[in-house]
Amino acid sequence: DIQMTQSPASLSASLGETISIECRASEDIYSNLAWYQQKSGKSPQLLIYAANRLQDGVPSRFSGSGSGTQYSLKISGMQPEDEGDYFCLQGSKFPYTFGAGTKLELK
Amino acid sequence: EVQLQQSGPELQRPGASVKLSCKASGYTFTEYYMYWVKQRPKQGLELIGRIDPEDGSTDYVEKFKNKATLTADTSSNTAYMQLSSLTSEDTATYFCARGTHWFAYWGQGTLVTVSS
Repeated sequence: DIQMTQSPASLSASLGETISIECRASEDIYSNLAWYQQKSGKSPQLLIYAANRLQDGVPSRFSGSGSGTQYSLKISGMQPEDEGDYFCLQGSKFPYTFGAGTKLELK
Repeated sequence: EVQLQQSGPELQRPGASVKLSCKASGYTFTEYYMYWVKQRPKQGLELIGRIDPEDGSTDYVEKFKNKATLTADTSSNTAYMQLSSLTSEDTATYFCARGTHWFAYWGQGTLVTVSS
């Protein structure tokens, strides 16, 4: 199975700060990478798919980049509503696998 | 509007089985795989497996092969997951999700609590 290594495990950001979260795959996943936000008690919400495509309705301060085995999610200007857990998902090869998650808090 | 409506919370005894449901609406049920995902309290997400509602074929993650059974009823546009021989390790929220290479639509989740 493809292993997804996500970092950091937790992050504290100030209002307006730009932050990045990384996911590294154990093999090439050909940009079949999605990013999710999950708030407590809720279902994950798709933010980015195909590594860099913004899901409809997601604020443009979210962006994704990467290729091959290295991918990142950037939030350009932290907002209070961005607090939550963030996960990556590789959809290249079954079984699809998730990163362990990043807990993002407002400082 | 695509919606996945999951069944309500379950409290089960160790050793019991439980069957969860996920009713799909707003799209053609047979055109997309349905995936099931496990999330233990305060932990990450694990894929359990998927079913193709068109022909009922299934793929399971190895660790869930003797735990979960996926089925689908095309007459009611509902996917099901049965979990057997429940233990405390099965206490979790279970999500269904419509997918291709990623999941744009998720159910609201079903909390299964295993306790004596």
